[in-house]
Amino acid sequence: EAQVTQNPRYLITVTGKKLTVTCSQNMNHEYMSWYRQDPGLGLRQIYYSMNVEVTDKGDVPEGYKVSRKEKRNFPLILESPSPNQTSLYFCASSIQESTEAFFGQGTRLTVV
Amino acid sequence: AQRVTQPEKLLSVFKGAPVELKCNYSYSGSPELFWYVQYSRQRLQLLLRHISRESIKGFTADLNKGETSFHLKKPFAQEEDSAMYYCAPRDNYGQNFVFGPGTRLSVLP
Repeated sequence: EAQVTQNPRYLITVTGKKLTVTCSQNMNHEYMSWYRQDPGLGLRQIYYSMNVEVTDKGDVPEGYKVSRKEKRNFPLILESPSPNQTSLYFCASSIQESTEAFFGQGTRLTVV
Repeated sequence: AQRVTQPEKLLSVFKGAPVELKCNYSYSGSPELFWYVQYSRQRLQLLLRHISRESIKGFTADLNKGETSFHLKKPFAQEEDSAMYYCAPRDNYGQNFVFGPGTRLSVLP
């Protein structure tokens, strides 16, 4: 089944403890992206990647890192999480041409 | 700068009433336009894209290049339409996918 898979689905952590949220897609998509969703602010882009080893900042990249070492995976790294990074995170993937993006099921992160 | 706006954060209508969710964009070139929907506790899913010109769940969207708008419409809203709706242009150069701030539609019984 074609899908985008995020792990974990839920995570509670403490301030400053490094964490990684994984995103994997099995559709051979070149494009992958991370968003955070907050009430009243909608969906804001954190980072995106057009292909392996090609990443770029979105609108809210501060406090986040990404890597794209292989096509299927696009992990989101929080080196030193802070409470303002408490949010619902979505990963998405797509082929390069102007087609739809497929979304993961979301990761709800709470930083205390 | 490329921007997409959805002026209403929350839109409430009664069941059976017409609904229009507004979307305006400012992009160079001719972006591809999409509407995504997110039902409660679910992931975002594609509702429709302008190039296919199809009607999904009774929704349609017309691209108006002169006004740079891509409003989503449905003549008779249903309670199951209550959800978060995102307008999403995709530019033809960088191929990046950026979403509008979203509109929460609430259809009242």
